[in-house]
Amino acid sequence: NAGVMQNPRHLVRRRGQEARLRCSPMKGHSHVYWYRQLPEEGLKFMVYLQKENIIDESGMPKERFSAEFPKEGPSILRIQQVVRGDSAAYFCASSLTVTSGRDDTQYFGPGTRLTVL
Amino acid sequence: KQEVTQIPAALSVPEGENLVLNCSFTDSAIYNLQWFRQDPGKGLTSLLLIQSSQREQTSGRLNASLDKSSGRSTLYIAASQPGDSATYLCAVRREGFQKLVFGTGTRLLVSP
Repeated sequence: NAGVMQNPRHLVRRRGQEARLRCSPMKGHSHVYWYRQLPEEGLKFMVYLQKENIIDESGMPKERFSAEFPKEGPSILRIQQVVRGDSAAYFCASSLTVTSGRDDTQYFGPGTRLTVL
Repeated sequence: KQEVTQIPAALSVPEGENLVLNCSFTDSAIYNLQWFRQDPGKGLTSLLLIQSSQREQTSGRLNASLDKSSGRSTLYIAASQPGDSATYLCAVRREGFQKLVFGTGTRLLVSP
């Protein structure tokens, strides 16, 4: 069973461009989470999605950021009009479930390192 | 608001030592607590997950304990090895929520 996959692993954008980060959850997992790790800071939650639904976006910046998890295909984190402050590592995680009794561990991908020039 | 703190921020030990990493959280209404390992430039590897009803979990040389009422967890690493060098993160999931709140991490260096 392949782990959580993210691509690209490294992404360089100039200010004002768009960044698209992709996350393929582990097989059978329908819960996806995005976290951001700014330089010299801890990981911060951004958004939690189930298939076709955003469940919790309390950590998402109000502007320029959006996320989706379509019925088919990977989850996408989209950042429009990137600025230098968006430079960070973006991690995706997935879980089988969110309730105990089954595996509700969040498994993390290798991350996408975004650099904004 | 849940806040998670890890002490020490950095730790350097010689190979073979037993060591303890600490994690404290301000809101005891947690659902579970996870310990992760992060290698430089890499993703997170889940080490142990403790449900709120449990007191400890063990995996190989690792043992994690949870004292929910006092808002503390410890990660015990026995007979440390250079390959254990990494940043260790604890993360708390609150009851009723799915997101993890991460601590600031402990950077561990084990010297041969």
